[in-house]
Amino acid sequence: QSALTQPASVSGSPGQSITISCTGTSSDVGAYNYVSWYQQHPGKVPRLMIYDVSNRPSGVSNRFSGSKSGNTASLTISGLQAEDEGDYYCRSYTTSSNYVFGTGTTVTVL
Amino acid sequence: EVQLVESGGGLLQPGGSLRLSCVASGFTFSTYWMEWVRQAPGKGLVWLSEVRSDGSVTNYADSVKGRFTISRDNAKNTLYLQMNSLRAEDTAVYYCARGGYFRNDYWGQGTLVTVSS
Repeated sequence: QSALTQPASVSGSPGQSITISCTGTSSDVGAYNYVSWYQQHPGKVPRLMIYDVSNRPSGVSNRFSGSKSGNTASLTISGLQAEDEGDYYCRSYTTSSNYVFGTGTTVTVL
Repeated sequence: EVQLVESGGGLLQPGGSLRLSCVASGFTFSTYWMEWVRQAPGKGLVWLSEVRSDGSVTNYADSVKGRFTISRDNAKNTLYLQMNSLRAEDTAVYYCARGGYFRNDYWGQGTLVTVSS
């Protein structure tokens, strides 16, 4: 199972919006609406930010939103803040009854 | 408060075996799927395995199928990962995570496994 493809890095200025893409195949991202997104600060544990493509868990800022089109899912962070810096990973359920993570994207706030 | 605490990591030689444990508290362990995820130093997250709430169903990533075995003891609120025939590329922090509903909403702090001669 190959990792989902994410850009290595995305950057933006405070207050701007950025979008991180997550490209898979018809056997994972395109097959189900079971894409989740995780934020990981350096040396910290991953945190769930989005589940089922576009749903936010309780406690996650509404500046984070998710979407999907075909085999590509996206995470958008609006009103970028310094605390949003970190690594972001997408994850999808697959037709092989397992999961696959994305390659990870480092977000930098300029 | 949900807590997941991993243990069992350490330094071992290639070809060796190790069993990781993850003790859960703060939720009804026996009603949730549980998963293992690892992260090599400076690398990304890699999904390894999951086990159904009653232990009757397990799934594995191709990279560990046949070498790793996930199991659980609901009476002890504990998740396990038995790892055999370890290789240098298995060096990573191993996380247990609460699963179910196709997401990981709680993660442990992780336990470091280093495979080196």
